[in-house]
Amino acid sequence: GAGVSQSPSNKVTEKGKDVELRCDPISGHTALYWYRQSLGQGLEFLIYFQGNSAPDKSGLPSDRFSAERTGGSVSTLTIQRTQQEDSAVYLCASSRGGRNGYTFGSGTRLTVV
Amino acid sequence: KQEVTQIPAALSVPEGENLVLNCSFTDSAIYNLQWFRQDPGKGLTSLLLIQSSQREQTSGRLNASLDKSSGRSTLYIAASQPGDSATYLCAVFNNAGNMLTFGGGTRLMVKP
Repeated sequence: GAGVSQSPSNKVTEKGKDVELRCDPISGHTALYWYRQSLGQGLEFLIYFQGNSAPDKSGLPSDRFSAERTGGSVSTLTIQRTQQEDSAVYLCASSRGGRNGYTFGSGTRLTVV
Repeated sequence: KQEVTQIPAALSVPEGENLVLNCSFTDSAIYNLQWFRQDPGKGLTSLLLIQSSQREQTSGRLNASLDKSSGRSTLYIAASQPGDSATYLCAVFNNAGNMLTFGGGTRLMVKP
């Protein structure tokens, strides 16, 4: 597509439930990032995928968070046993490579009640 | 570890003013620096991308400069308009590793 697409745009879930957030990067972009932005806070790096290389998971806050990228395209961020502190906007970005800059999606606003 | 700082954190100006937003970073070994705009409740929109070999980039009323050796970038907005009200974020991409590191942003309000 023309841009990075994220779904759902909004998600309200009960504490303890699992959620899946989806990111469709721009076609041909080999790099894909997930970031988290809590209310009034800056962007927190979560995970990075580059081509077929092993992902950089150094930003995942706990083992309840995981992500995969199938076929080098669509990525899914999964949060298990959600907690209220997981409430945030989850942003996905893709790029053809670091020198080309990054394009962000509109984000998924997750609210855990 | 790269650290990016943006000053000021918030800025309120009357319409028509020219203004400068500042971004500083601690590790000068960068590939590039990117300025983004974020409207409330929205994602990030890329404004300008400056490669490490470049000194500045311009788009319309926006001009971004980069002084890699001193670890600084500025975003200049000419003749500000109420529609410019948003949070402006700078982010650097490092040579070593794959991290895009963001500053905390400058929240700009332009009053009519």
